[in-house]
Amino acid sequence: QKEVEQNSGPLSVPEGAIASLNCTYSDRGSQSFFWYRQYSGKSPELIMFIYSNGDKEDGRFTAQLNKASQYVSLLIRDSQPSDSATYLCAVRGTGSGNTPLVFGKGTRLSVIA
Amino acid sequence: NAGVMQNPRHLVRRRGQEARLRCSPMKGHSHVYWYRQLPEEGLKFMVYLQKENIIDESGMPKERFSAEFPKEGPSILRIQQVVRGDSAAYFCASSLENSPLHFGNGTRLTVT
Repeated sequence: QKEVEQNSGPLSVPEGAIASLNCTYSDRGSQSFFWYRQYSGKSPELIMFIYSNGDKEDGRFTAQLNKASQYVSLLIRDSQPSDSATYLCAVRGTGSGNTPLVFGKGTRLSVIA
Repeated sequence: NAGVMQNPRHLVRRRGQEARLRCSPMKGHSHVYWYRQLPEEGLKFMVYLQKENIIDESGMPKERFSAEFPKEGPSILRIQQVVRGDSAAYFCASSLENSPLHFGNGTRLTVT
């Protein structure tokens, strides 16, 4: 059973701080990793994806991947109240590049003004 | 550049009725995925389709649920004889080859 684990939160950070969201996965052969943001009552929105070990930066967001530890994280710098949402970690396992994503239950982030 | 289109946005059915959920993928996307989300739960994979083919239906309940993606027209998720436990948000996503998934706005199904 392929699993993706996230701390459900809520994670509360003050405005302007760095928010750190973490995710572990069970399938060692997983190939690609995704972070989605979901506002309450809305659909998941892709933020970032990462395929290789190391860091990948996009604006205020940095994704970090450590395949040896089966760990992926998302850092949000200069957090804003508008970043308050649930962040979903998703993993694409072994198989084709179109294998369905397995999602964690999400971490709820609250940015306090 | 329209995104993934799902309809209806909200669907109310009585127990025993049929629910039909429709999904039109983004232009050029040939891979369609259906997920279900219960309140306070994560997204659970149901089925993965390409045009006219079901590729992976490992997450689909064996009874009452079916999906199709015909050569022409949208993908359809059909739930027969709905029960209260089917009440959930159903999300469709589409993708290009070897690419991230992009989600539609979802259909919120309520079974009364």
